[in-house]
Amino acid sequence: AQSVAQPEDQVNVAEGNPLTVKCTYSVSGNPYLFWYVQYPNRGLQFLLKYITGDNLVKGSYGFEAEFNKSQTSFHLKKPSALVSDSALYFCAVRRGGYQKVTFGIGTKLQVIP
Amino acid sequence: AAGVIQSPRHLIKEKRETATLKCYPIPRHDTVYWYQQGPGQDPQFLISFYEKMQSDKGSIPDRFSAQQFSDYHSELNMSSLELGDSALYFCASSSRTPGDTQYFGPGTRLTVL
Repeated sequence: AQSVAQPEDQVNVAEGNPLTVKCTYSVSGNPYLFWYVQYPNRGLQFLLKYITGDNLVKGSYGFEAEFNKSQTSFHLKKPSALVSDSALYFCAVRRGGYQKVTFGIGTKLQVIP
Repeated sequence: AAGVIQSPRHLIKEKRETATLKCYPIPRHDTVYWYQQGPGQDPQFLISFYEKMQSDKGSIPDRFSAQQFSDYHSELNMSSLELGDSALYFCASSSRTPGDTQYFGPGTRLTVL
């Protein structure tokens, strides 16, 4: 079984401040971890992923995430938030060798001008 | 760059009717996935296909069936529709390499009246 927890329904941050969206996961075997962003009435857009290698992964639009195996976490970060970053963010996990992706419930990010 | 194409984008059906959703993967992607996202919910994995064979199965109702064709496009057939089937249905595609990213289409919004 595999699961993802996003403990915050909503994160509010002022424009220009750093942001963090939290994610923890549970999976047997090697995890493949992903972050997607969803704008209203739109599909999921891929941001970044961790497969192996460096624990700090850099992705689209200035986002990055840090894989922490001991804490089973994969928090999404950005040094300086933009109003246009306001959207719904989903963390997802996939077990190595399998196709099924399990999503967290999503965290709504609100960047305040 | 070419993306995943889904049709139709919107579909309205009555209870007990049938619906067919179509998905055209990114060129050279051989794996297709279907997800269902209810209002305010995270995407739930339904089923996936690799090289026209079912590769994984999630929480897909028995009333639903899907297949992948020789040109790699996929169709999700939904029969005896229920009010609870109203949701966004996403298709995603990937190539079958370890850790390859699933890229999502814009979704089909199904409304069952």
